[in-house]
Amino acid sequence: DAGVIQSPRHEVTEMGQEVTLRCKPISGHDYLFWYRQTMMRGLELLIYFNNNVPIDDSGMPEDRFSAKMPNASFSTLKIQPSEPRDSAVYFCASSWDKNYGYTFGSGTRLTVV
Amino acid sequence: AQSVTQLDSQVPVFEEAPVELRCNYSSSVSVYLFWYVQYPNQGLQLLLKYLSGSTLVKGINGFEAEFNKSQTSFHLRKPSVHISDTAEYFCAVEGTGRRALTFGSGTRLQVQP
Repeated sequence: DAGVIQSPRHEVTEMGQEVTLRCKPISGHDYLFWYRQTMMRGLELLIYFNNNVPIDDSGMPEDRFSAKMPNASFSTLKIQPSEPRDSAVYFCASSWDKNYGYTFGSGTRLTVV
Repeated sequence: AQSVTQLDSQVPVFEEAPVELRCNYSSSVSVYLFWYVQYPNQGLQLLLKYLSGSTLVKGINGFEAEFNKSQTSFHLRKPSVHISDTAEYFCAVEGTGRRALTFGSGTRLQVQP
């Protein structure tokens, strides 16, 4: 199993541009989570899905952020327009209903200049 | 809602010495507890978890943790550390009924030769 796959690993973009982060969960996992990690705020849950349906998006900072899961093998997190304060490492993780504990991807380091 | 407090932001220790990383949690419902490790520029890896049963939980790489309900603690221990254990360690809690982890702020373990 290749694990949770995130792309790109690094993204540098200019303020105001649209950014799309991608995630492929482990096959058979029915939960998918998006987290953001910063020095100031640590690891924050942004949103999570169960069977492709968003369950809790209360952590999404504002309307500039959106997440989708069109099928069981793919999810995106989009920021439009991006701002310097969005600079962080964004992690995707997946889990199976009967197995508590996530498998994390390697993360996407986003820098907005 | 749940919260997690990791009492030490950094723990320096000499190689082959024992170490304890402290974690306290707060929750109004029953919880599941986890420890994750993060090596530089990598995602988080599950070390161990407590779901129910024996309060002493053994994980990978020789780590163990003890769940203490009365003190709402879940401290992580290792009897003899190695240089390769240098990393950031995160305690996390999941409340029953909501499949999302709340993380502590992390403890940086620095193993010195």
